[in-house]
Amino acid sequence: AQRVTQPEKLLSVFKGAPVELKCNYSYSGSPELFWYVQYSRQRLQLLLRHISRESIKGFTADLNKGETSFHLKKPFAQEEDSAMYYCALIPSGSARQLTFGSGTQLTVLP
Amino acid sequence: NAGVTQTPKFQVLKTGQSMTLQCAQDMNHEYMSWYRQDPGMGLRLIHYSVGAGITDQGEVPNGYNVSRSTTEDFPLRLLSAAPSQTSVYFCASRKAIGTDTQYFGPGTRLTVL
Repeated sequence: AQRVTQPEKLLSVFKGAPVELKCNYSYSGSPELFWYVQYSRQRLQLLLRHISRESIKGFTADLNKGETSFHLKKPFAQEEDSAMYYCALIPSGSARQLTFGSGTQLTVLP
Repeated sequence: NAGVTQTPKFQVLKTGQSMTLQCAQDMNHEYMSWYRQDPGMGLRLIHYSVGAGITDQGEVPNGYNVSRSTTEDFPLRLLSAAPSQTSVYFCASRKAIGTDTQYFGPGTRLTVL
């Protein structure tokens, strides 16, 4: 079975500093990886997906199959980035259930 | 479109009571699912449905029942609530099993005393 690990429950950085939220996964096939974000008092929403190789709100994430990682990065954090971030995986095959990590609460300090 | 809606937003139950959490979507999505969110454990899949009349168990199905009589609605039933079911519950939908963008409802915060 697949598993997603986010080793940091809490992460604090100062405004303007770089930020990296770690995500590691275990899955024998070729998964699809995602980052979801939940801002305070808002519903969970998709931030980005690896297949699109996109940058959203200055965030990027690169899938490293060798290290089985999908870390989320932003060079200059903003206060509005404070939120709960979830890494998620969809396995290949028919089931295609989203499996979430435990989440990282990011706080960007002024 | 309203997207994914959930009712109620908050609920307090006593141990042993039953209730139904409602979920509806107006996007004609085939795939719907229920998650519970607990501190330090992320979102865990309870039940899911790939279309009307078809449901299946997720990671933590015990204590919960679901049905999918229409494409739009996917209610979650707690037959006999337990304190361990205190959690925030999210309903989600996506267009089809092969697509990836999942849309979430606003959540229901349930407390079981």
